[in-house]
Amino acid sequence: AQKITQTQPGMFVQEKEAVTLDCTYDTSDQSYGLFWYKQPSSGEMIFLIYQGSYDEQNATEGRYSLNFQKARKSANLVISASQLGDSAMYFCAMRENNAGNMLTFGGGTRLMVKP
Amino acid sequence: GAVVSQHPSRVICKSGTSVKIECRSLDFQATTMFWYRQFPKKSLMLMATSNEGSKATYEQGVEKDKFLINHASLTLSTLTVTSAHPEDSSFYICSARVWTGGIYGYTFGSGTRLTVV
Repeated sequence: AQKITQTQPGMFVQEKEAVTLDCTYDTSDQSYGLFWYKQPSSGEMIFLIYQGSYDEQNATEGRYSLNFQKARKSANLVISASQLGDSAMYFCAMRENNAGNMLTFGGGTRLMVKP
Repeated sequence: GAVVSQHPSRVICKSGTSVKIECRSLDFQATTMFWYRQFPKKSLMLMATSNEGSKATYEQGVEKDKFLINHASLTLSTLTVTSAHPEDSSFYICSARVWTGGIYGYTFGSGTRLTVV
């Protein structure tokens, strides 16, 4: 079974609008971390936001927020006020603390911001 | 802080030759380095985990004799693609786990785009 699932291969959003990128995960660990990364066409991986499994509040970082629903095992990324520079691939990733501390990535979502 | 420098950023090599990719942690000590491979428009797939001073742990299906990983110091990990073939053409990226901003996060190299002709 996929550990991280991103069901939206591609998304369009109008500039200045908000957009939600979906991510669901599968783990039996109680302690884990969820990450979102942005990958522009240059290939670099840019860290956006982190949510720990024990964090009770949803994480926020500027225009990025994470809608963490633990019971549903979802960790959706919300980008508010989209900008043209937000066009990129977005990856959801999970670290399971009992599984070697490596990151497992979802398939990614390509976000395209329309002017 | 917590920068990983990866070189080269782009390399073209002839089939049958070997290519070495380096990842250096510039301002911290990287006990563990993760190596990923990414095909065009695909996700990052973990190839192996290298630990300083010991043998790398390879993921299932990754040929350890083709993808040689060395982590001889706390600031340098290398991936050598031996006897490269066109199917080895891909984007390779390294990552180190770091304590930053109050969490254990990950810092990535800028990636190496390998083309085997």
